[in-house]
Amino acid sequence: EVQLLESGGGLVQPGGSLRLPCAASGFTFSRYPMSWVRQAPGKGLEWVSSISGSGDASYYADSVKGRFTISRDNSKNTLYLQMNSLRVEDTAIYYCAKRRSSDSGKEFDYWGQGTLVTVST
Amino acid sequence: QSALTQPPSASGSPGQSVTISCTGTSSDVGGSNYVSWYQQHPGKAPKLIIYDVNKRPSGVPDRFSGSKSGNTASLTVSWLQAEDEADYYCSSYGVSTPYVFGTGTKVTVL
Repeated sequence: EVQLLESGGGLVQPGGSLRLPCAASGFTFSRYPMSWVRQAPGKGLEWVSSISGSGDASYYADSVKGRFTISRDNSKNTLYLQMNSLRVEDTAIYYCAKRRSSDSGKEFDYWGQGTLVTVST
Repeated sequence: QSALTQPPSASGSPGQSVTISCTGTSSDVGGSNYVSWYQQHPGKAPKLIIYDVNKRPSGVPDRFSGSKSGNTASLTVSWLQAEDEADYYCSSYGVSTPYVFGTGTKVTVL
């Protein structure tokens, strides 16, 4: 059974940093591109970042480019999101998501339960 | 990259059908067969219900169907059931971004 478990969320002040891990199990982690998607309270979904299975290619939304870094440790089956220079508008539930196909497609077939990041004074 | 446009709400009685539109541009929906739909119940993670415009993952009832015409994709939920009451989001591959989501539609079963 595929499982994705995010952690690391919490309250942080503007300008602060936070690192979100997502522990994966139930599939061959290294084969699949992974992504982070966020959802501000009461708002819609927003793609944040994606990384290839090997970790050699990464992509970012303009809203987080230069502040957030996605990475993965395939030996630990764990995806990460390093968030620096956090802003109030980064407040959201952050989901990690697995791409359905290892070699094509753009859809996510499994999502974690999400972790809440609150940026506030 | 702007979000894809969906109607804020849609509704129908049990047994009826409801169709949700998702309008983008030729740089995303119109130029891509990578259109997917997600269902999200309150407090839960999104669930994939349609991918590649009109394909259903295993376990998703055939009451859910997808289509696309030009820059607009559509999700139809036939034979509405109480458990279909949820938020629905479309998503598309875009020229300038790997993923762009729709604004979301709240479906109410009357």
